[in-house]
Amino acid sequence: EAQVTQNPRYLITVTGKKLTVTCSQNMNHEYMSWYRQDPGLGLRQIYYSMNVEVTDKGDVPEGYKVSRKEKRNFPLILESPSPNQTSLYFCASSLFLGQGSYEQYFGPGTRLTVT
Amino acid sequence: AQKVTQAQTEISVVEKEDVTLDCVYETRDTTYYLFWYKQPPSGELVFLIRRNSFDEQNEISGRYSWNFQKSTSSFNFTITASQVVDSAVYFCALTNYGQNFVFGPGTRLSVLP
Repeated sequence: EAQVTQNPRYLITVTGKKLTVTCSQNMNHEYMSWYRQDPGLGLRQIYYSMNVEVTDKGDVPEGYKVSRKEKRNFPLILESPSPNQTSLYFCASSLFLGQGSYEQYFGPGTRLTVT
Repeated sequence: AQKVTQAQTEISVVEKEDVTLDCVYETRDTTYYLFWYKQPPSGELVFLIRRNSFDEQNEISGRYSWNFQKSTSSFNFTITASQVVDSAVYFCALTNYGQNFVFGPGTRLSVLP
């Protein structure tokens, strides 16, 4: 079954304590991305990756890091979390199939609370 | 820069009414993709439709239909004979070749019995 998995699904942490949210896909997609969802703002792209070792900033990258050492994994790292990073996070992977076709899958989301 | 506007923050209808959710987008790209997603109270994102910029055909899928008009940069979504299970937040989104994926702020639809 094609899927994107995220772990953990829920996390409560304290300011300044480094954390990593993992994301893995089993579809051999080249493109992966991270979003955060906040009320009234929709989903905003944090970082994306076009392929292994190729990453770029989205609209709200401050306070986040990513790495893409393997095609299937795209972890999101918060080196020093702050309360304004309390949010719902989604990982996604996608593939352009050519001739105008595009396939995207979202993970189930990770709800992060930073106190 | 790309932008998606969903002017309706919240809509409330009574079951069996028709409802249209508006989406207006901005992009300088000639090739782009438009999407609608549903987010039920459980929180996951459910894909509804994808449309590329070269295909202006409207689409109907059961009670759902989509009206894509490049002339007005709009991609509106209509639910016919709404049901309580349609209650959710609906997002319109836009991307070029995946380098910049932009979501609208979402419209919260409440369908009352």
